[in-house]
Amino acid sequence: KQEVTQIPAALSVPEGENLVLNCSFTDSAIYNLQWFRQDPGKGLTSLLLIQSSQREQTSGRLNASLDKSSGRSTLYIAASQPGDSATYLCAVPSNDYKLSFGAGTTVTVRA
Amino acid sequence: EPEVTQTPSHQVTQMGQEVILRCVPISNHLYFYWYRQILGQKVEFLVSFYNNEISEKSEIFDDQFSVERPDGSNFTLKIRSTKLEDSAMYFCASSILAGRGETQYFGPGTRLLVL
Repeated sequence: KQEVTQIPAALSVPEGENLVLNCSFTDSAIYNLQWFRQDPGKGLTSLLLIQSSQREQTSGRLNASLDKSSGRSTLYIAASQPGDSATYLCAVPSNDYKLSFGAGTTVTVRA
Repeated sequence: EPEVTQTPSHQVTQMGQEVILRCVPISNHLYFYWYRQILGQKVEFLVSFYNNEISEKSEIFDDQFSVERPDGSNFTLKIRSTKLEDSAMYFCASSILAGRGETQYFGPGTRLLVL
């Protein structure tokens, strides 16, 4: 059974600092890993999907790395802004149909 | 860009009542999913659906839940007799195909509150 863990659960940084969010998974036989953003009481916004054949995926200030062998992914957010304050979730496919989600890291960027 | 849409955005119901949550998946997608997120907890898989059949369901998806594709565009989740613990955000998702390499696209969610 795929278990997904995100550490830390919460993070508070001053504006401009780089953010490092961690995601680990127990079954390394994954095909991809997806990072989502969730604002309070809102839906899931897909940020990045990184395929198992990739080591990194970039979108603007966001960079996701994937190390399948160690069961880890890291989301880097450069030069954080107050608008980056949200909960960030990672998810991996557990089988052909089901995504397993981490509990998320709640980020607060202080102005 | 095509999106998954869900209605209503919020629903309040009394315990024991039936609710139907509606979703319009992306038009060329063939696989449809429901997930839920109880406040403060992880997003959990409920069910996947393809070709008018359930392809997989979780242990949460018991007899009080059902899914249907009543026409060519809508995908619904029915909760027959709601309980307090059904209060959650319900997300619909769709994908072109199934498989661990496929991307699931999520809707904005329906927040269900059972009183």
